[in-house]
Amino acid sequence: RKEVEQDPGPFNVPEGATVAFNCTYSNSASQSFFWYRQDCRKEPKLLMSVYSSGNEDGRFTAQLNRASQYISLLIRDSKLSDSATYLCVVLLYTDKLIFGTGTRLQVFP
Amino acid sequence: GAVVSQHPSWVICKSGTSVKIECRSLDFQATTMFWYRQFPKQSLMLMATSNEGSKATYEQGVEKDKFLINHASLTLSTLTVTSAHPEDSSFYICSANGGRTDSPLHFGNGTRLTVT
Repeated sequence: RKEVEQDPGPFNVPEGATVAFNCTYSNSASQSFFWYRQDCRKEPKLLMSVYSSGNEDGRFTAQLNRASQYISLLIRDSKLSDSATYLCVVLLYTDKLIFGTGTRLQVFP
Repeated sequence: GAVVSQHPSWVICKSGTSVKIECRSLDFQATTMFWYRQFPKQSLMLMATSNEGSKATYEQGVEKDKFLINHASLTLSTLTVTSAHPEDSSFYICSANGGRTDSPLHFGNGTRLTVT
């Protein structure tokens, strides 16, 4: 079983749609959680950190459930420019980062 | 904000040759840098942790004699792929902690290595 699991997708959604990504992690020594965005053949870029209280940044909302070891990302009012791969990332207490394989999103007109 | 520069962005080399990839922290000092590898449609996998002034720490399954890491200064780490083979073709990315609590790492722009 992978330490960080994501649905690989792809998720094909029309502009304006709301889309949700899920992620589960198995390592109980997980300290912090993040969502990164990776465009094709580019380096990952931080989208947002994920907190237990839930956090929102514009059209993006992230949630963390430590009891269920579950992380989510909600994107509202999808734009064409949101098309990318979204990586669920877990930082362990050992300072090691574990990446999920990513969920690919394709927003179409 | 903190920036990590990686060079070259892409390289094509013949089997058996060595390739050096540089990773620089441009506006901060990085005592630790990380090297990742990403094969197509797979997640980033940590290869090694580069420590300034000391030996790198390699992840299980990564050959230290094949992937030589040098971290001679607080702003530069290099990864040398020695005697490259086609199966070493991959996307290599370095990263460093920019000191911000809201972002664990800043990534270089990656190096796409193709070994023919």
